[in-house]
Amino acid sequence: AQTVTQSQPEMSVQEAETVTLSCTYDTSESDYYLFWYKQPPSRQMILVIRQEAYKQQNATENRFSVNFQKAAKSFSLKISDSQLGDAAMYFCAYWLEYGNKLVFGAGTILRVKS
Amino acid sequence: DGGITQSPKYLFRKEGQNVTLSCEQNLNHDAMYWYRQDPGQGLRLIYYSQIVNDFQKGDIAEGYSVSREKKESFPLTVTSAQKNPTAFYLCASSTSVHGYTFGSGTRLTVV
Repeated sequence: AQTVTQSQPEMSVQEAETVTLSCTYDTSESDYYLFWYKQPPSRQMILVIRQEAYKQQNATENRFSVNFQKAAKSFSLKISDSQLGDAAMYFCAYWLEYGNKLVFGAGTILRVKS
Repeated sequence: DGGITQSPKYLFRKEGQNVTLSCEQNLNHDAMYWYRQDPGQGLRLIYYSQIVNDFQKGDIAEGYSVSREKKESFPLTVTSAQKNPTAFYLCASSTSVHGYTFGSGTRLTVV
């Protein structure tokens, strides 16, 4: 069964610094999709970034980028120039074609210090 | 603007009562999902539906029921059989591999 593991329950970063959130997953598929979602204190889930496994290039959205290592089944999220508004719970997710649904990791709470 | 609307934002339930959480989308998405989130925890799948008049149990379906009579609507009923219903409930919809669009959630509290 596909699983998603986020090994860091909590992380802290100083404002303007860079932080990396880890995510590993388990799959036997060759083509798949990976996501990072952000859940701020409002609890609204927001899509941060999406990566297609067949693309070797790492996805980037402004200050957010991923380090996708397909062989290692690793999908980490890097946040550059951290801002107070980045403080949130971050979820890594894998799109499961069988059932057409996302499998989520347990989440990482990111705290941003001013 | 297209999106997902969950209502109510806050809901209180007495012991032994059934309550229904509403989820409506105007994104023309085929698939819809219900998740439960406990404080400081991740998301657990309750039910999902890929098409009208069809739905499947997720990981924690006991004590919940759903219907999908219209493409736009996927209401969730929390029955009296759900012994610990206090949680935050999120509805989502999807058009396949592009991920989910989420509603803003309903916080259910047993009083």
